Amino acid sequence: DAGVIQSPRHEVTEMGQEVTLRCKPISGHNSLFWYRQTMMRGLELLIYFNNNVPIDDSGMPEDRFSAKMPNASFSTLKIQPSEPRDSAVYFCASSLKGGTTDTQYFGPGTRLTVL
Amino acid sequence: AQSVTQLGSHVSVSEGALVLLRCNYSSSVPPYLFWYVQYPNQGLQLLLKYTTGATLVKGINGFEAEFKKSETSFHLTKPSAHMSDAAEYFCAVSESNFGNEKLTFGTGTRLTIIP
Repeated sequence: DAGVIQSPRHEVTEMGQEVTLRCKPISGHNSLFWYRQTMMRGLELLIYFNNNVPIDDSGMPEDRFSAKMPNASFSTLKIQPSEPRDSAVYFCASSLKGGTTDTQYFGPGTRLTVL
Repeated sequence: AQSVTQLGSHVSVSEGALVLLRCNYSSSVPPYLFWYVQYPNQGLQLLLKYTTGATLVKGINGFEAEFKKSETSFHLTKPSAHMSDAAEYFCAVSESNFGNEKLTFGTGTRLTIIP
């Protein structure tokens, strides 16, 4: 299996621009998670989906962030407008059933730099 | 609410020496506990997890961890460090409430191996 695929791997943009991060989960996995990793705050869960439905988005920092999962094989995380404080590594992860004991498989991450 | 504390943001050990990374958790219900490893510029990878049953859990790459309820701890150990073990290690907790499928990660411990 190819694992969780994220694109782009690196993104550099200017403040105010729209940024879209993409994720393809492992085939057959029913749950998908978006995380953000920064030096200051560590690894934070932003949102997770189960069977393409958003279950908990309490970690989404503000209205500038939105996430969609139109089908079982694709999800996007959009930031509009972007700000320098959004600079971080964004990880997507998927798991088979999404249960509390399920292993989450992480993608390689997207390193976002907002100038 | 669940939380994880990792003591020591940086740990250095000599090659061949014992590795001990500390993790304490807080959870209102029986927890599920995980250790993940992150190599440079990569996503997180599961090392091992405790759900139920045997409290000593063996994982990949010779690592193991012991769940101690009385101490609310889940420390990670490896008898003999190898250069390839240099990475960042994250402890995580997931509560065993139905429907609560979120992992809460600790702030991580960066392990350095001294030749």
